[in-house]
Amino acid sequence: QLQLQESGPGLVKPSETLSLTCTVSGGSISDTSYWVYYWGWIRQSPGKGLEWIGSIYYSGSTDYNPSLKSRVTASVDTSKNQISLKLTYVTAADTAVYYCAGLRTSSYGYMDVWGKGTTVTVSS
Amino acid sequence: DIVMTQSPDSLAVSLGERATIYCKSSRSLLYTYNNKDYLGWYQQKPGQPPKLLIYWASTRESGVPDRFSGSGSGTDFTLTISSLQAEDVAVYYCQQYSSSPPTFGQGTRLEIK
Repeated sequence: QLQLQESGPGLVKPSETLSLTCTVSGGSISDTSYWVYYWGWIRQSPGKGLEWIGSIYYSGSTDYNPSLKSRVTASVDTSKNQISLKLTYVTAADTAVYYCAGLRTSSYGYMDVWGKGTTVTVSS
Repeated sequence: DIVMTQSPDSLAVSLGERATIYCKSSRSLLYTYNNKDYLGWYQQKPGQPPKLLIYWASTRESGVPDRFSGSGSGTDFTLTISSLQAEDVAVYYCQQYSSSPPTFGQGTRLEIK
C-alpha cells in the first residue's frame, strides 16, 4: 500500500523559493511495479480550488502546468524514494495546501493515491 | 484548458435518498480510439485529501461502496449516490484527464437535509 508524505516549511516570504519534498513509502518508485505512476503536485486554495502544478516520471521526465511553468521545477531522487518541488518568486497567491499524488495513465491522469497535504503560507 | 463546471454548487439530501451531481466539460472527454471518457470523480472530507471514487467516467475504484456510480459520455457526466449515508457528507469534484493540464470542477458540497 503506497503512502505519500509531504514535508516543507509552513511559511515562506514573498519573492522567495518554496521547496517541498514528498516521501513515498510502501514501494520503490523505481520498481517496475510502480512505472504505472507519474508523481505529481496539486495545490488547493479557497480562491482557485484544486490546481495541478506538474508531474514527474521516475525517469525524470516532467510536465508542468503552463500557468506555473516559468516558476516550477520538479525532481526525483529514486535512492531516497522522494520527489521534490521548487516554486520560485512566490506571492500570497501561492498560499495553499500542497499535495503530492500518484497519477495513472499519463502525467495528467487520474490520481489514485494522495499525501495528506502540507499547508504553505506566503507572508512576510 | 478544458473547463469543468459542476452543478449544483451545494446539495442537501435526506438520508437514504438519492443524490445526483452533474459535471460538464468544455470539450469532449471521449477518445474514440479506445471508447473511453477521461473523467474522474473525487470525494473530499474536511481536513483530508481528495479520494478517488470513479475513473473512466464509470469505473468504481477498489473499495468504494457500490452506492456510488458514475455515468455519462462526451461532455456531460453524472455522479450518483443511490442511498445517502451520513458518511457521504463531503465535497465532490470531477476531473478531466483528457488533455494537459488536468482540470477540476469547482466542487459540489453535499449535506444532509
